[in-house]
Amino acid sequence: DSGVTQTPKHLITATGQRVTLRCSPRSGDLSVYWYQQSLDQGLQFLIQYYNGEERAKGNILERFSAQQFPDLHSELNLSSLELGDSALYFCASSLGGFQPQHFGDGTRLSIL
Amino acid sequence: KNEVEQSPQNLTAQEGEFITINCSYSVGISALHWLQQHPGGGIVSLFMLSSGKKKHGRLIATINIQEKHSSLHITASHPRDSAVYICAVRSERGSQGNLIFGKGTKLSVKP
Repeated sequence: DSGVTQTPKHLITATGQRVTLRCSPRSGDLSVYWYQQSLDQGLQFLIQYYNGEERAKGNILERFSAQQFPDLHSELNLSSLELGDSALYFCASSLGGFQPQHFGDGTRLSIL
Repeated sequence: KNEVEQSPQNLTAQEGEFITINCSYSVGISALHWLQQHPGGGIVSLFMLSSGKKKHGRLIATINIQEKHSSLHITASHPRDSAVYICAVRSERGSQGNLIFGKGTKLSVKP
């Protein structure tokens, strides 16, 4: 058990909809990272937050947004969903800086 | 060309065999990670290293910074080692923490 909790585990929705994925980091970790894993692209970094502030952005679409709340949990919002957004979305957390990352079990998003 | 290349893509071994998975990268890095992804999808961080060698149980990870190459070795392989092994690097130019991933090596260990 990594200590990182992601909900929901599975999500099925339709094109054009909006969903919110939630991540609770490991106790004491200040950094949260979001990753997308699709069949054709593999794992890709989306965005990082550190203690409530955005720290780095990767290949995150404008339709996607994220935030980290004062209690350090994070949410990834995906809107105007397209078939190509179907993927596994992972959250990871770390103490910050150059510390090891601990991954959640992921949320499997299926767009019908 | 991908910044992180792994080989082989697929690997089938018999139980007890010594296994090596290779990772080459083309960017300057501050650290390299080896991750294990189980068939159910969960990801476990195995090693984070920036130089030399690390060992945990039957797993050994090495890195050669000059050659931009890392290897993951599994001794006395077991069917429970069957998983996808992913190499990921943190670019020294990138912001803290965000990783660049290889495509993974799918390992199947037969009893």
